[in-house]
Amino acid sequence: DADVTQTPRNRITKTGKRIMLECSQTKGHDRMYWYRQDPGLGLQLIYYSFDVKDINKGEISDGYSVSRQAQAKFSLSLESAIPNQTALYFCATSDSKAGHTEAFFGQGTRLTVV
Amino acid sequence: GNSVTQMEGPVTLSEEAFLTINCTYTATGYPSLFWYVQYPGEGLQLLLKATKADDKGSNKGFEATYRKETTSFHLEKGSVQVSDSAVYFCALTAASGNTPLVFGKGTRLSVIA
Repeated sequence: DADVTQTPRNRITKTGKRIMLECSQTKGHDRMYWYRQDPGLGLQLIYYSFDVKDINKGEISDGYSVSRQAQAKFSLSLESAIPNQTALYFCATSDSKAGHTEAFFGQGTRLTVV
Repeated sequence: GNSVTQMEGPVTLSEEAFLTINCTYTATGYPSLFWYVQYPGEGLQLLLKATKADDKGSNKGFEATYRKETTSFHLEKGSVQVSDSAVYFCALTAASGNTPLVFGKGTRLSVIA
């Protein structure tokens, strides 16, 4: 089983609909992140959370919200989806106790807004 | 703020060719530097890292050296294979360790037989 699991893997939704992307991890890490990937733009940070009571905006948080339901779960919501939110979304985790350490990524959710 | 600039792609090479993907960064202090790889249809995975100046990270035949004087972390491989075809991302975290990873825009590598 994957250490960082994203659901769903693929989703097509209509403009104006609310949609939630979920992320869960079994690594025991305290830090979790949501990134968006667009062709030619690399990965852009949407939101991040350093522990259950900590939520921080990233560089492109407008139009998104998050919830850290537990240390292992971090969900991303699009309150009213629009076509330019069509992208590949990645959840990632890291461990603050491990110092300057790597982030571990899920396999991504491909979201299409029509 | 912290930022990463990497060479534009795509890069197309023949098998066994030498690979260099340039990466430079802007950051205060001594950030940690990373190369991530994304194979088709998959998430990102760590390829190598370096946490202090002059460190060399290496993995799977890839190498990168942390050059503080030129603020660079170029990725190299002496002989690429078709299986190396992927998108490569340079990234950094701040010296404090308390900021999320900042990524470059990625470089797509295609290796042809």
